[in-house]
Amino acid sequence: AQSVAQPEDQVNVAEGNPLTVKCTYSVSGNPYLFWYVQYPNRGLQFLLKYITGDNLVKGSYGFEAEFNKSQTSFHLKKPSALVSDSALYFCAVRDAMGFQKLVFGTGTRLLVSP
Amino acid sequence: GAGVSQSPSNKVTEKGKDVELRCDPISGHTALYWYRQSLGQGLEFLIYFQGNSAPDKSGLPSDRFSAERTGGSVSTLTIQRTQQEDSAVYLCASSLEWSEAFFGQGTRLTVV
Repeated sequence: AQSVAQPEDQVNVAEGNPLTVKCTYSVSGNPYLFWYVQYPNRGLQFLLKYITGDNLVKGSYGFEAEFNKSQTSFHLKKPSALVSDSALYFCAVRDAMGFQKLVFGTGTRLLVSP
Repeated sequence: GAGVSQSPSNKVTEKGKDVELRCDPISGHTALYWYRQSLGQGLEFLIYFQGNSAPDKSGLPSDRFSAERTGGSVSTLTIQRTQQEDSAVYLCASSLEWSEAFFGQGTRLTVV
């Protein structure tokens, strides 16, 4: 069965500094990987995905993520954080083998200070 | 429709009553998911429908919970004999087979 881990409950970063939100996964076959963001009292918004191709994928709001097969990781990154990036971030994985459900990590709260 | 629609947006019910939550997915999406989120917490998987395949019910917390998807479109999540621990935001999402899921705004259920 597939699973995903977000080892940090919270990440704190100063505005203008680079940010990284970590995600590791486990699947039987090849992974389909996703990042979502949830702003306070809002629904989940899709940020970016890795299906196949380049290991570095770019998404909305200047975010990017790097797929690393050997480390089974898909860390979310942004070169320069904004206060408005403060939100709850979720990593998700689906196993490409069969019609598998989408499994989410426990979420990481990002706090960007001015 | 333009997005995933859930109704009602808020539901307050008395302990022991049954409730039905509705989800209208994006037209043409073959996959439909239900998740539950307690205040500021992670997403708890409940059930997954994919096309005409048997649904994955492995996340349903008890036999008080059930869901159906009629005609491969609209889905209803039913909670029987509600308990206070059922209070949460219930999120529905839909997707094409291998693509990203799109979420509705959720139904906030409060059991009093």
